[in-house]
Amino acid sequence: AQSVTQLDSQVPVFEEAPVELRCNYSSSVSVYLFWYVQYPNQGLQLLLKYLSGSTLVKSINGFEAEFNKSQTSFHLRKPSVHISDTAEYFCAVSRSGGYQKVTFGTGTKLQVIP
Amino acid sequence: DTEVTQTPKHLVMGMTNKKSLKCEQHMGHRAMYWYKQKAKKPPELMFVYSYEKLSINESVPSRFSPECPNSSLLNLHLHALQPEDSALYLCASSQGTINNEQFFGPGTRLTVL
Repeated sequence: AQSVTQLDSQVPVFEEAPVELRCNYSSSVSVYLFWYVQYPNQGLQLLLKYLSGSTLVKSINGFEAEFNKSQTSFHLRKPSVHISDTAEYFCAVSRSGGYQKVTFGTGTKLQVIP
Repeated sequence: DTEVTQTPKHLVMGMTNKKSLKCEQHMGHRAMYWYKQKAKKPPELMFVYSYEKLSINESVPSRFSPECPNSSLLNLHLHALQPEDSALYLCASSQGTINNEQFFGPGTRLTVL
């Protein structure tokens, strides 16, 4: 079985400052990794994903995450945040290969301060 | 069309009512999911349908009854719910074969009185 740990339940950061949201996973087999964002009263939107290949993946709105197999991490970073980035961010993991159950972390609330 | 739609957006029901939640996708995805999300918690998987067959039931009480009439539609029938069942119910779909990238709908906010 796999698991995901998001140690930070809330991360306050000033607008235009950089941010890192931490995600560590545990699995004995190859995994797929995801970051989802949830704005208030909305569903989850996929922000970015790692399936294979390049360990650095990027989203269209400036976020990036790096898969680090040795540290079993998939931290999410953005060099300069905007007010509109205020949301809940969920890291998720599934075993690779076909359908596998997705396990979500407990989420990190990113609060951007003007 | 890369969208998962859910109706209704909000639902208030009594403990003796029978209601249904509906989910639809037209991406040709062959796996569809129901999740329950309580406030400030991650989504919890309830059911998975793969190729229109129920493949996973995460020990969900029988007062929740899923149905997959065809590959594009997923319903969740509700009967005799409890107030603690109040939550955001999310539907998702995925290609189901190559990877597990799931596309989520906006959810139905359910309140049980």
